[in-house]
Amino acid sequence: DAGITQSPRHKVTETGTPVTLRCHQTENHRYMYWYRQDPGHGLRLIHYSYGVKDTDKGEVSDGYSVSRSKTEDFLLTLESATSSQTSVYFCAISESVASYNEQFFGPGTRLTVL
Amino acid sequence: GQQVMQIPQYQHVQEGEDFTTYCNSSTTLSNIQWYKQRPGGHPVFLIQLVKSGEVKKQKRLTFQFGEAKKNSSLHITATQTTDVGTYFCAGSGGYQKVTFGTGTKLQVIP
Repeated sequence: DAGITQSPRHKVTETGTPVTLRCHQTENHRYMYWYRQDPGHGLRLIHYSYGVKDTDKGEVSDGYSVSRSKTEDFLLTLESATSSQTSVYFCAISESVASYNEQFFGPGTRLTVL
Repeated sequence: GQQVMQIPQYQHVQEGEDFTTYCNSSTTLSNIQWYKQRPGGHPVFLIQLVKSGEVKKQKRLTFQFGEAKKNSSLHITATQTTDVGTYFCAGSGGYQKVTFGTGTKLQVIP
């Protein structure tokens, strides 16, 4: 498996609280992605990064922000968590553009917002 | 925006039977990828198809990319219990991101 870790692996929080999920890679890959996985929806892209401090929105970016200050770390922040953000969050990396390169996924973070 | 649908959503098969999942895009794709996610696990890349009409095989798995590059299929011959999981296609229009299909969850009954 590619060197990708996510922390925390599980989190329960309350509506309105801020939450930050961390993705850490040791592969020195340029591209990093945050997805959420929900039943019936597959994997949906939240945000992605194509380099340090270079990020862009995905299809479900409302309510989420990201930051990438180092190649190896990509943070996903829920400024004020809502119950609709209860989901499993996956980080992924790819050496180059995901459209032509395989993505390697982290183990996931299960987030529950009460 | 680009939409990628997969059918069926669920499939139960008896061990030894064949299985097929279909992927359909609302737009023409530059390529398509397939991933497998085991229960409780994370998606793992299987293969990428780029050419119109392309067919690739991996042991009992056969992947096809449609002539119009708007659909794809994954066929598993003689399923085994190790094939259990959810299969996703992921299509790209050639930009920096891919759009994942909704997935087909395969259950194999021993």
